[in-house]
Amino acid sequence: AQTVTQSQPEMSVQEAETVTLSCTYDTSENNYYLFWYKQPPSRQMILVIRQEAYKQQNATENRFSVNFQKAAKSFSLKISDSQLGDTAMYFCAFMKHGSQGAQKLVFGQGTRLTINP
Amino acid sequence: EPEVTQTPSHQVTQMGQEVILRCVPISNHLYFYWYRQILGQKVEFLVSFYNNEISEKSEIFDDQFSVERPDGSNFTLKIRSTKLEDSAMYFCASRARQGSTGELFFGEGSRLTVL
Repeated sequence: AQTVTQSQPEMSVQEAETVTLSCTYDTSENNYYLFWYKQPPSRQMILVIRQEAYKQQNATENRFSVNFQKAAKSFSLKISDSQLGDTAMYFCAFMKHGSQGAQKLVFGQGTRLTINP
Repeated sequence: EPEVTQTPSHQVTQMGQEVILRCVPISNHLYFYWYRQILGQKVEFLVSFYNNEISEKSEIFDDQFSVERPDGSNFTLKIRSTKLEDSAMYFCASRARQGSTGELFFGEGSRLTVL
């Protein structure tokens, strides 16, 4: 079974600073997806960024980028020039890349990120 | 932009009562999911659904739980006899066809409080 671990329950930074959220995972699969989801207070989870395991290049989405280390099974999220609206719970998640069936997301415990003015 | 919608947003019920949580997934999606998040804890997988049948279910999804897609649009989660420990936020999610990017789209959740 796959497991996802986020070792930082809470983090807090000043606006405009850069912050890195850690995530490690355990799997015997070779093909999979990794995701970072953001959950603002009292709102649904929305996708921040996605990485396909077969791609060596790290994914980037504007201020958000990942450091994907497949051998180390590490998938950290870097937020540059952090903004007040980045305040949220961030979940790292894993999905097998399967040809059949409804593959599920496996979530980490989450990191509560607070951006201070 | 298409989105997953869930009703009710909050339901309070007495222990032992039946509860039905409703979800309308994105219309062209094929895979449907229910997740649960107990306050302050991680998001837990309950069940996945495809082609009108359960694809996978977790240990949490015992005989008290059931899902169905009665009319091709709604996707419901029924808890037959609620327990105190069922109090949680329940999220519905849907995903597009196989071979897509894998992204799940989540609803805003239904908060269930069992007294």
